[in-house]
Amino acid sequence: KNQVEQSPQSLIILEGKNCTLQCNYTVSPFSNLRWYKQDTGRGPVSLTIMTFSENTKSNGRYTATLDADTKQSSLHITASQLSDSASYICVVSDRGSTLGRLYFGRGTQLTVWP
Amino acid sequence: EADIYQTPRYLVIGTGKKITLECSQTMGHDKMYWYQQDPGMELHLIHYSYGVNSTEKGDLSSESTVSRIRTEHFPLTLESARPSHTSQYLCASSKTSGGSPGPDTQYFGPGTRLTVL
Repeated sequence: KNQVEQSPQSLIILEGKNCTLQCNYTVSPFSNLRWYKQDTGRGPVSLTIMTFSENTKSNGRYTATLDADTKQSSLHITASQLSDSASYICVVSDRGSTLGRLYFGRGTQLTVWP
Repeated sequence: EADIYQTPRYLVIGTGKKITLECSQTMGHDKMYWYQQDPGMELHLIHYSYGVNSTEKGDLSSESTVSRIRTEHFPLTLESARPSHTSQYLCASSKTSGGSPGPDTQYFGPGTRLTVL
């Protein structure tokens, strides 16, 4: 069964600190992996997308890594800000259909305290 | 900021009522989607559309129905709401990318929080 597992489920850090969120997946065949940020009461917003051949992708203070061999990805947030408080969702796509099926993780709820 | 809109943002109704959740996008995207999301859980695809007059059911069984008469509009209707329909409903859209190895990036609306009493 294709799955996307994220850890930790929730995380609290102090403003200015760094943190790393994890995503393990079993989706096959693999097409790409995206990280989304979802603020409370809002829809998810895409942060990064990586295909099989990409190891790392940055978007400002967000850096995503991908190890397609071990089927693991991480999202590193540098110098956290209060506005980083949100749920971060890992989404993996397969190549099994025209639609390109998306598999969503449950997200990591990040809280940044001042 | 994505140009995709959902109304209403919040809705509290009684059991048995018919409701329509509106979704519209001004980006000219051909594909549109409806997801259902409960707190702390993953998004579940309930409906999608490749284009006008094209609609398909998603992975999660839903008693709702959708229509796609215009490219920019993808409303979701519940004929008779029940408490089990209480959830967050997210609409999304994307544009087919011919050269992409996988699905194009989906842009999400702000969601509708539905509560059925």
